[in-house]
Amino acid sequence: AQKITQTQPGMFVQEKEAVTLDCTYDTSDPSYGLFWYKQPSSGEMIFLIYQGSYDQQNATEGRYSLNFQKARKSANLVISASQLGDSAMYFCAMREGYILTGGGNKLTFGTGTQLKVEL
Amino acid sequence: DAGVTQSPTHLIKTRGQQVTLRCSPKSGHDTVSWYQQALGQGPQFIFQYYEEEERQRGNFPDRFSGHQFPNYSSELNVNALLLGDSALYLCASSFGQPRYGYTFGSGTRLTVV
Repeated sequence: AQKITQTQPGMFVQEKEAVTLDCTYDTSDPSYGLFWYKQPSSGEMIFLIYQGSYDQQNATEGRYSLNFQKARKSANLVISASQLGDSAMYFCAMREGYILTGGGNKLTFGTGTQLKVEL
Repeated sequence: DAGVTQSPTHLIKTRGQQVTLRCSPKSGHDTVSWYQQALGQGPQFIFQYYEEEERQRGNFPDRFSGHQFPNYSSELNVNALLLGDSALYLCASSFGQPRYGYTFGSGTRLTVV
């Protein structure tokens, strides 16, 4: 089974509109973290937002919010007031468990969603 | 504050050759992870280095090896290159328990011909 599933290969949104990018995950570990990254054509992965499995509230970072539904194992990214510069590939990723020392565990990525913001 | 620096940015190699990719982590970071991203796919974890040792490894053959130096920089070596090794290789650095994510470099685009 896929650990991270992103079912939207491509999405279009009008400038200034909100858009939701879907992500579902699969893990039996009670301690995990969910990440969203943006990858423009330059290749660099840009960190957007993080949600921990024990966090009580949904994460927000500026125009980005994460709709975390633990029972459904979903962690959808909501981008409000889309801008042309938001056009990029978006990846959902998960870290399972954590190591007490050092930099933590590996990230498992989904296949991504290509977002195109239109005028 | 410099982020993660990777070199070279692009590389073309012939099948069967060996390649070394380099990564300098973000200042203050002590852990380096390497990922392979094939065209149209999400990154796949290769391995992670901490305190100059490989701490965790993904599902990659022994042709993929690495090293971390005392200054925390890292190298990824791939031997006996195959056409299927053509990909974007990303380096990510972190420190402690990275609640707020890993910092990625812009990657090295490797083409095997």
